[in-house]
Amino acid sequence: KAGVTQTPRYLIKTRGQQVTLSCSPISGHRSVSWYQQTPGQGLQFLFEYFSETQRNKGNFPGRFSGRQFSNSRSEMNVSTLELGDSALYLCASSSGTARMNTEAFFGQGTRLTVV
Amino acid sequence: GENVEQHPSTLSVQEGDSAVIKCTYSDSASNYFLWYKQELGKGPQLIIDIRSNVGEKKDQRIAVTLNKTAKHFSLHITETQPEDSAVYFCAVRDSGYALNFGKGTSLLVTP
Repeated sequence: KAGVTQTPRYLIKTRGQQVTLSCSPISGHRSVSWYQQTPGQGLQFLFEYFSETQRNKGNFPGRFSGRQFSNSRSEMNVSTLELGDSALYLCASSSGTARMNTEAFFGQGTRLTVV
Repeated sequence: GENVEQHPSTLSVQEGDSAVIKCTYSDSASNYFLWYKQELGKGPQLIIDIRSNVGEKKDQRIAVTLNKTAKHFSLHITETQPEDSAVYFCAVRDSGYALNFGKGTSLLVTP
């Protein structure tokens, strides 16, 4: 069974630009969550999608957005990039059925550097 | 929101010794707890999880114990090996489906 696939692995962008990151979850998983990892703040929750609907959102500005497609693949977008957006962006996949607590499996992440 | 604290931030043990990492959480309604291992350049890897109706769970050299009354759970690694060296994160799933993470423990196992 293939794992969680995130593309691209590395990105370098300039301040003010926008960026789109992609995540393909484990086959059969319908929940995709996004996290930002930085040395100072650790792992912070961005948002979670289940069956194309955003179920929860963390405390990030509106420049951070996401969506999920009917095949469960998800994208997140960051507009008007700031230097502080440099981070490892991680996608987690889980079956997410109703409120059952299910395991969350992470991809390798996308390393975003804003210059 | 859920507040998760993890201790220690760094831990150095000799090969063959045991390592214990502890996390406390704030929301007494939380009922799902996970431990992840992250190696350099990789995403977090789920190593063990536990639900609140269970007090302890083992998987070979790894175990997790949960004390719901005291609101803490611990990761126990026995017979440590150099390949256990990594950063370990605890996580608690909240009612909004998010995982709330501790700040991580850097474990170094020296031969």
